[in-house]
Amino acid sequence: AQSVAQPEDQVNVAEGNPLTVKCTYSVSGNPYLFWYVQYPNRGLQFLLKYITGDNLVKGSYGFEAEFNKSQTSFHLKKPSALVSDSALYFCAVRPNTGGFKTIFGAGTRLFVKA
Amino acid sequence: EAGVTQFPSHSVIEKGQTVTLRCDPISGHDNLYWYRRVMGKEIKFLLHFVKESKQDESGMPNNRFLAERTGGTYSTLKVQPAELEDSGVYFCASSHPGLRGELFFGEGSRLTVL
Repeated sequence: AQSVAQPEDQVNVAEGNPLTVKCTYSVSGNPYLFWYVQYPNRGLQFLLKYITGDNLVKGSYGFEAEFNKSQTSFHLKKPSALVSDSALYFCAVRPNTGGFKTIFGAGTRLFVKA
Repeated sequence: EAGVTQFPSHSVIEKGQTVTLRCDPISGHDNLYWYRRVMGKEIKFLLHFVKESKQDESGMPNNRFLAERTGGTYSTLKVQPAELEDSGVYFCASSHPGLRGELFFGEGSRLTVL
């Protein structure tokens, strides 16, 4: 079955430190990969996506993500965390066959301490 | 440009009652999706409309759930009769083919079944 795994329920980091939020997936072929962020009482917002090309993709708010095909991973990163980055982050995958259904992970809550 | 809007933001009903959730997608977005997130778990796909047609309804839990999209504009998701396990946050998202999979989400409708 196709799935997305976010192994950490929560990630804690101090402001100014680098952060990583992990994501691995089990989807055949060459899917599109996404990260979304959800702030309290808001809908999910698109952060970035990987379709093809350079394995390091840059997105909104200084976030970037690294695609690793051999490990089927798409980890979200930021060189220097801000308190305002505290939110719920979802990794998502859209298979490029069999329709347009995007599959989401369970989410990782990021806490950035001042 | 208005984003995806959902109504109501929160609904509390008794088991056995009926609830109808509404989603207004971004104007011009032919693709409309319904997702559901149960407490702390992954965001699960329910169904996908292309204009007024159901493209994929493989995620609909059972026949107590009925989704419609009138004239290819707004969509409704009716739960009748509601059960306790239907509680969760129902998200609507829309997209345009040119966006290559990027989804625009509403703020969600939180359903609590007592």
